Amino acid sequence: QLQLQESGPGLVKPSETLSLTCTVSGGTISSSNYYWAWIRQPPGKGLEWIGSIYYSGSTYYNPSLKSRVTISEDTSKNQFSLKLTSVTAADTAVYYCARGVPAGLNNWFDPWGQGTLVTVSS
Amino acid sequence: DIQMTQSPSSLSASVGDRVTITCRASQSVFSYLNWYQQKPGKAPMLLIYATSSLQNGVPSRFSGSGSGTDFSLTISSLLPEDFATYYCQQNYRTPWTFGQGTKVEIK
Repeated sequence: QLQLQESGPGLVKPSETLSLTCTVSGGTISSSNYYWAWIRQPPGKGLEWIGSIYYSGSTYYNPSLKSRVTISEDTSKNQFSLKLTSVTAADTAVYYCARGVPAGLNNWFDPWGQGTLVTVSS
Repeated sequence: DIQMTQSPSSLSASVGDRVTITCRASQSVFSYLNWYQQKPGKAPMLLIYATSSLQNGVPSRFSGSGSGTDFSLTISSLLPEDFATYYCQQNYRTPWTFGQGTKVEIK
């Protein structure tokens, strides 16, 4: 059974870089059948797709965050990572990693990690 | 970006009630629409993909329908474990976007 687990600092200072890692178990991130994504949820609010990384190494980012986001992978550790630079209080959120499942032109996120709360504060 | 608008934002219902949540897209997303359930303090869980296909293990009381810009999620007979927040998500065009959520509460 595939499982994803986010890890990283729970507190980041304004203007600094948020760095999170998602460790995947029960499956390989090197599979060409899936892609990997980061999604966030500010406290009490809805969900926002941050970006995705594909088997080829290609990345796609939400334009609203694109200038500050980098998603990368480490296949040797079966992990993928998120870096978000120049954070502000607006970046305070629960950050989820998830597997993207493409099926023809459709795709969806399943499963998700449990999420990790990152607070931006001095 | 494609905006997804759910209605209502919240509703109160009783166990055994039939509940329908609607999701409207700002432009056609054809059938590229998914539904997720999120319980407090937990990650979202996929319920329905491609408008009407039930994810493995999801009870048959859940169903989805629609096309183009108008979609719905129906729970035929609410059980206590169905009280949660539900989100629609379009996967027609990036950036993938979600509705604001519909919270289903106990009456």
